[in-house]
This record gives sequence, structure tokens and C-alpha cells, in this order.
Amino acid sequence: GAVVSQHPSWVICKSGTSVKIECRSLDFQATTMFWYRQFPKQSLMLMATSNEGSKATYEQGVEKDKFLINHASLTLSTLTVTSAHPEDSSFYICSGGRTSGSLGADTQYFGPGTRLTVL
Amino acid sequence: EDQVTQSPEALRLQEGESSSLNCSYTVSGLRGLFWYRQDPGKGPEFLFTLYSAGEEKEKERLKATLTKKESFLHITAPKPEDSATYLCAVPLPGNQFYFGTGTSLTVIP
Repeated sequence: GAVVSQHPSWVICKSGTSVKIECRSLDFQATTMFWYRQFPKQSLMLMATSNEGSKATYEQGVEKDKFLINHASLTLSTLTVTSAHPEDSSFYICSGGRTSGSLGADTQYFGPGTRLTVL
Repeated sequence: EDQVTQSPEALRLQEGESSSLNCSYTVSGLRGLFWYRQDPGKGPEFLFTLYSAGEEKEKERLKATLTKKESFLHITAPKPEDSATYLCAVPLPGNQFYFGTGTSLTVIP
């Protein structure tokens, strides 16, 4: 259990266009979904946190008008990269938080990632 | 200041050569320590959660342990397919994760 899917797995687009990435929790309801960005040989960098029906909370330095996040339901969140430029090329990964049923923090289950290349 | 440090940064082992990866943390009010495995070009795969000092969890050749200051991921008789980057993470308020920089493990046949 606890499977998260992402679509597409890779995308190539022209500079100035917008790209939408979908993140779905397939067998559980994610109370919170997270979006990360990862550069080669680096760890994950949290971009934003979203709760269903609420506006996303963005980390410092992340442009909320450029990276639009919509958390439509407890199983679906989308990240839209607007007016993409080559510097936005990266590996984007989402995760869904699943309650552990204890006083501990939710466990995050990650999607397979989306490789974005902006030409 | 909350901090998570992993060591070593990279580790090369011969197949069958057991070793341990370290994750040191300075977080007050720990609400769990999480271990993940990440293969190149893929998202992290959940391995373990540890909640209290003295807790241990095992899965195949992996065993995770937790003390009040650090966690160890012990790999017993590793195989080439265990080659990956291993990440530890601790939760912050709001359930965001603070990730370590990872240990890149290579197991040589």
C-alpha cells in the first residue's frame, strides 16, 4: 500500500510555455501533499506544502506565481510551472503524507518523479 | 538549530561486506526519524520509521536503530542491488521533512 503516482514521468517543453504535473495517491488519502525539486547529486529541496482545499504554503525563495499548486482532492495535487525557462529544468517529486496513527509525524510516500527539460 | 547530518557521503563495499550508515540529528521533540532509499532518476522509497530511542526495525538485509542523537542503518552482507542513495529525514512542525544529504552506497560484485 501507500502508492503515489506522477504524470508525466518526463516532459520537454519550449521556453515560455506552461507545464502541468499531476500527483496522485492511489490507495490512500493524503492529508498533505508536498512538492520537491532535486538537482543532480543533491538532496531534495522542499518547494511547497499543500492541504486539500487550502492554498499552498511555499518555502522561502520559491515563486508562488511561477509554481502554481492546486490540491483539488485528498488524492490529487497538481504543480504547474508557468512560463518555464531553462533554469526551471529539474527533477520534480511529489509526496503524500499518510497518518501513522500515532503521535508521530505522517509518513511521506513519494512519487516516481517528473523530469522537466525546458529548451 | 535543527540539523540532520549523514555520513559517510559515499561508501563502496564489496558484496557481502557489512557496514553501517549514520544519521545524526539535533531536533527537539523528535516525532520520528525516517529512512528512505533513492535510486537514480526515481523518487525516494520508504524504508523505516523509528519513533523512540532503542527502537529497531529490520527489512531483509537492512536494520535501522535509533538513539537519542543518531540513527544507524546497518547493511548485512550487501548485494549489488542494494546500491542506491540512502536518505534520512526528521519531521519539522507542519510535517515537512528535513532531509540529510544522503549516503551514496555502491556494492561491488
